[in-house]
Amino acid sequence: GEDVEQSLFLSVREGDSSVINCTYTDSSSTYLYWYKQEPGAGLQLLTYIFSNMDMKQDQRLTVLLNKKDKHLSLRIADTQTGDSAIYFCADLTGTASKLTFGTGTRLQVTL
Amino acid sequence: GAVVSQHPSRVICKSGTSVKIECRSLDFQATTMFWYRQFPKQSLMLMATSNEGSKATYEQGVEKDKFLINHASLTLSTLTVTSAHPEDSSFYICSASSWTGSTYGYTFGSGTRLTVV
Repeated sequence: GEDVEQSLFLSVREGDSSVINCTYTDSSSTYLYWYKQEPGAGLQLLTYIFSNMDMKQDQRLTVLLNKKDKHLSLRIADTQTGDSAIYFCADLTGTASKLTFGTGTRLQVTL
Repeated sequence: GAVVSQHPSRVICKSGTSVKIECRSLDFQATTMFWYRQFPKQSLMLMATSNEGSKATYEQGVEKDKFLINHASLTLSTLTVTSAHPEDSSFYICSASSWTGSTYGYTFGSGTRLTVV
């Protein structure tokens, strides 16, 4: 089945940029999503990108997609303490319209 | 925007009892609802997919007799954990999807923390 991998942990200083990476294996992915999860809460959709796009920017968020390498990244500019959370990439594939989630990256923002 | 209400947010139950978790799409009709389970510091594991009016499709390894899913309407799905045991303690999250015209939108509930004692 599909594998979606992320690094487990990222620590950045407030004001710096954060880059969270994600790799996936299914070449038939149609949409890729980024979600944010704060402790004890559900998932909040941050942004998504269609598989025929290379980049999407939405305010402080920039998504880059390298379809050839099956690599997705989320850049958060001017990272704030409120950005501390777990970030999941997710991949929509196939006809079942199911999301496959990555392993999650815990972002820690330090002062 | 789309909102999914999930409750209860926390529940503690005795071993052997059953617990029902509700998931409602408040301002849209969900074509499909999904139920996930999340262990501490881990990703979401899809348990089952349910479409309104039909039987849920369970993922491999998920006991359908233990985790009963009912999707009676386009706005409500329920997950019942039957004869709960301590190993069923977990964080359960529902998600509702609808077609936005360009992609599937997935809206998540706020999750239910189940503790079985």
